[in-house]
Amino acid sequence: AQTVTQSQPEMSVQEAETVTLSCTYDTSESDYYLFWYKQPPSRQMILVIRQEAYKQQNATENRFSVNFQKAAKSFSLKISDSQLGDAAMYFCAFQGAQKLVFGQGTRLTINP
Amino acid sequence: DSGVTQTPKHLITATGQRVTLRCSPRSGDLSVYWYQQSLDQGLQFLIQYYNGEERAKGNILERFSAQQFPDLHSELNLSSLELGDSALYFCASSVGPALYEQYFGPGTRLTVT
Repeated sequence: AQTVTQSQPEMSVQEAETVTLSCTYDTSESDYYLFWYKQPPSRQMILVIRQEAYKQQNATENRFSVNFQKAAKSFSLKISDSQLGDAAMYFCAFQGAQKLVFGQGTRLTINP
Repeated sequence: DSGVTQTPKHLITATGQRVTLRCSPRSGDLSVYWYQQSLDQGLQFLIQYYNGEERAKGNILERFSAQQFPDLHSELNLSSLELGDSALYFCASSVGPALYEQYFGPGTRLTVT
């Protein structure tokens, strides 16, 4: 069974600084996707970024980028130039052939 | 706005009762997924339908059931409700059956008293 682990229950960062959220996963599948979802206080689940396992190049979406280390089964999210609106729960998720598996989340606080 | 709609937004009911949650997927999406999120917890996958057929099952209780209709909307039925069923229930949709990104609806907050 696939598992996703986020080892940082909480993180905080100063506004305009950079922060990295960690995620590791375990799977025997070779074809899969990885995602980061953001859940602000409104509780809406918002897709932040995705990475296909077959792609070596790390995905980037504006201020959000990932460091995908397939051999190490690591998938971290870097947020540059942090903004107050980035404050939220961030969930790492693994999508294999069967289902989407979420980590327990990291609560990110932005300090003004 | 993800394009996935869920009704109702909030639902308050008593233990032992039965409720139905409704989801309409994004236009063109054939897969619908249901998730449960208890307070300050991650999301637990309940069940997936693809083009009207059940495709995958997760940690769904026997008291819960779901279906996807010919117009592709889906309903999640929760019966014999218990206090522990209080949670946020999300529906998500995707184009295909697997290995496609999922877009989430705003959720239905269920409170069982």
